[in-house]
Amino acid sequence: EAQLVESGGGLVKPGGSLRLSCSASGFTFEHAWMNWVRQAPGKGLEWLGRIKSKTDGETADYAAPVKDRFTISRDDSKNKLFLQINSLKTEDTAVYYCASPGGYSSSWFVLWGPGTLVTVSS
Amino acid sequence: QSVLTQPPSVSAAPRQRVTISCSGSSSNIGSNAVNWYQQLPGKPPKLLIYYNDLLSSGVSDRFSGAKSGTSASLAISGLQSEDEASYYCSAWDRGLNGLVFGGGTIVTVL
Repeated sequence: EAQLVESGGGLVKPGGSLRLSCSASGFTFEHAWMNWVRQAPGKGLEWLGRIKSKTDGETADYAAPVKDRFTISRDDSKNKLFLQINSLKTEDTAVYYCASPGGYSSSWFVLWGPGTLVTVSS
Repeated sequence: QSVLTQPPSVSAAPRQRVTISCSGSSSNIGSNAVNWYQQLPGKPPKLLIYYNDLLSSGVSDRFSGAKSGTSASLAISGLQSEDEASYYCSAWDRGLNGLVFGGGTIVTVL
């Protein structure tokens, strides 16, 4: 069964950094263009960015509001996706989801993890 | 303010039909596929419709999608209590070079 599980969330002070992980299983992770999406408490979904497969250059695209502070990377040998968040702000408080596309590079996401909560507070 | 515009809420009685609209522009809906998700409280989103009108595997055929120009819609027929949830549309935006979501619509079964 295909599965994604995020980890690494927690309570962080403003200005701090955090690295979230997403462990994938049950599908060919190395071919998938993987995505991060977040949801602030009581708010809607916000796409953060994606990373292409190694065969497609392993480049990342980011949403404009986060591109200077967020970095997406992957380790295909461990079937893991990462999100590095620097200079954390209170408005980064959210549940962070990793998501995989339906057709390796499609814009629709068939598989989502349960999410990991990041709370930014002093 | 979301790039894609959805009504905040819609409601109807059981067994009725509701439609959720999603309005965008030529850089997103007008030129790319629209996808729809259902999200129950405390759960991750679940794909309902992809590529405008294709039903995701295992999803009830009471759900249907349509697209015309720079707008799209999700219809739920035979409304059931289990359909009470938030619904989001999404599409790739070629101007922003990123994925955009609608603000979400809460469906209430009266």
